[in-house]
Amino acid sequence: GENVEQHPSTLSVQEGDSAVIKCTYSDSASNYFPWYKQELGKRPQLIIDIRSNVGEKKDQRIAVTLNKTAKHFSLHITETQPEDSAVYFCAARPSGFQKLVFGTGTRLLVSP
Amino acid sequence: DVKVTQSSRYLVKRTGEKVFLECVQDMDHENMFWYRQDPGLGLRLIYFSYDVKMKEKGDIPEGYSVSREKKERFSLILESASTNQTSMYLCASSWGTLSTNQPQHFGDGTRLSIL
Repeated sequence: GENVEQHPSTLSVQEGDSAVIKCTYSDSASNYFPWYKQELGKRPQLIIDIRSNVGEKKDQRIAVTLNKTAKHFSLHITETQPEDSAVYFCAARPSGFQKLVFGTGTRLLVSP
Repeated sequence: DVKVTQSSRYLVKRTGEKVFLECVQDMDHENMFWYRQDPGLGLRLIYFSYDVKMKEKGDIPEGYSVSREKKERFSLILESASTNQTSMYLCASSWGTLSTNQPQHFGDGTRLSIL
């Protein structure tokens, strides 16, 4: 079955720096890759997603890139702000299933 | 806006009890999911359902069962609660069939403690 690995587990940056979180997946047939942000004590919320027919997607300060050949995808946050501090989860949807397989999460801390 | 409501934010039960966690969504979504979230392990899928009365095992179904009698409601059942089932439980729902790619929407979670 699908396996998603996420790195790093923790990431500390200064306000204004960029942050990059990387995920790899094992099932080459996976075709949907969402990213979720979970603030302390709150529900995970979708921040951006990408489908397998697209290589990159941007939404303001957030971008996701997908390399199908290497089976990895990354979240890029530019000009980080303290409110970006949260746990971020990547996920992959195996073809033929409605379920998602999640990575283990990255705790991002943005210091003022 | 999608609303996924879990019946309790915090729940304390005793070992051996039968425990019910309820989840209701208001967007007529076909798919519903139960996860447990533990530090360092991310979100692990327990069970999911893609239609009324249908259920599929996830990655960690042992010790759990589910019920989906109505489209909007998905219940997680701990048949005989054990201390290793102390965790945060998250419910999610999504629209669509196997041929679509739609995001999952999460509830606020139930923090369950088994004493």
